[in-house]
Amino acid sequence: DQQVKQNSPSLSVQEGRISILNCDYTNSMFDYFLWYKKYPAEGPTFLISISSIKDKNEDGRFTVFLNKSAKHLSLHIVPSQPGDSAVYFCAASAGNDKLIFGTGTRLQVFP
Amino acid sequence: EAGVAQSPRYKIIEKRQSVAFWCNPISGHATLYWYQQILGQGPKLLIQFQNNGVVDDSQLPKDRFSAERLKGVDSTLKIQPAKLEDSAVYLCASSFLVSGELFFGEGSRLTVL
Repeated sequence: DQQVKQNSPSLSVQEGRISILNCDYTNSMFDYFLWYKKYPAEGPTFLISISSIKDKNEDGRFTVFLNKSAKHLSLHIVPSQPGDSAVYFCAASAGNDKLIFGTGTRLQVFP
Repeated sequence: EAGVAQSPRYKIIEKRQSVAFWCNPISGHATLYWYQQILGQGPKLLIQFQNNGVVDDSQLPKDRFSAERLKGVDSTLKIQPAKLEDSAVYLCASSFLVSGELFFGEGSRLTVL
């Protein structure tokens, strides 16, 4: 049972344009959501998070939007840069329960 | 600040052999996690420690996997005997709080032939 789904395995975006990565979840008890970024041969690194009491959180070029009624969140990267090329994982948790990760979306930003 | 340290980075073994991975979390982080990431999938939690006690090991295949964190600091994950489907990257992570941000190590890539 895949509680956190990233339906797009890959995304290709031109440098300077917006990248939008999507994530859907099924567990209505999830109240904390995170995005992690992973480069090859490295561990995932935390990027940005959002609590269920908010619908938007912004950190520089990165913004996460949460639509609780649709059980959907998205990560916007504006403007996209070649260094953003990586695999992005969406993760969610309910209270102090364990993080559940999605399968990841590979973002490629080309010049 | 030193990050999460893991070793070895790579290990190749034959099925039915045993292997052990080591993790040293960030100093002061009470919570330590072992994740398994199979190619094309997201990380899956195997076991979570709070200090030296187990918080969650519901997804740990206990017939072949074991983990310990005896002194509440570093941890070892062992697989014995290994199966082909155990080929994966084993990620160790730590956090200051139980529900806080996770800091991951670089992972240990296991190939079982």
